[in-house]
Amino acid sequence: GQNIDQPTEMTATEGAIVQINCTYQTSGFNGLFWYQQHAGEAPTFLSYNVLDGLEEKGRFSSFLSRSKGYSYLLLKELQMKDSASYLCASMDSNYQLIWGAGTKLIIKP
Amino acid sequence: GAVVSQHPSRVICKSGTSVKIECRSLDFQATTMFWYRQFPKQSLMLMATSNEGSKATYEQGVEKDKFLINHASLTLSTLTVTSAHPEDSSFYICSAPDPSVAYNEQFFGPGTRLTVL
Repeated sequence: GQNIDQPTEMTATEGAIVQINCTYQTSGFNGLFWYQQHAGEAPTFLSYNVLDGLEEKGRFSSFLSRSKGYSYLLLKELQMKDSASYLCASMDSNYQLIWGAGTKLIIKP
Repeated sequence: GAVVSQHPSRVICKSGTSVKIECRSLDFQATTMFWYRQFPKQSLMLMATSNEGSKATYEQGVEKDKFLINHASLTLSTLTVTSAHPEDSSFYICSAPDPSVAYNEQFFGPGTRLTVL
């Protein structure tokens, strides 16, 4: 079957670094997406990985290991506005996104 | 990036009535649009894939006669919740991939909060 696992909730301190992990099992693989979703709003795109390695984009970086079915989202210099849910999604062989349940990130001052 | 609009953003209706939600791609043509439902503190659940000019493809467990989807043009898909009941209250979100974007990134509408009394 298809499955995406990520932690339900994480807490971090303003200014610190946090890593949100995601493991996936899908029928075929056409890339791994990370989205940010604030409460009551639609998801917004953060990153896309299809090759192994680290993609850096400002304070956010995303890593992929295809052989391990593993990805992480790294957030640096955390700000209060980063408090949100972070959704991991794998695109299967039909180009359909399989979504994780999301990780709620709580930032404390 | 591509823009997807959704209307209305919020609707409250009485049980038994029907509600139509529109999803539009504003600056690109979308042959495919996706409709999701999200209950509080849960992830996105794909309801159906809307295909321009043909019938929608529904996910298992989604009643096609209750959730009517029409994708009449390359920029508009509509979802009609027929005979809505309180258990249909949810956050409905549409998305569309922009074919000009290499990796099929999906662009999301702002969502519609449906409350059925």
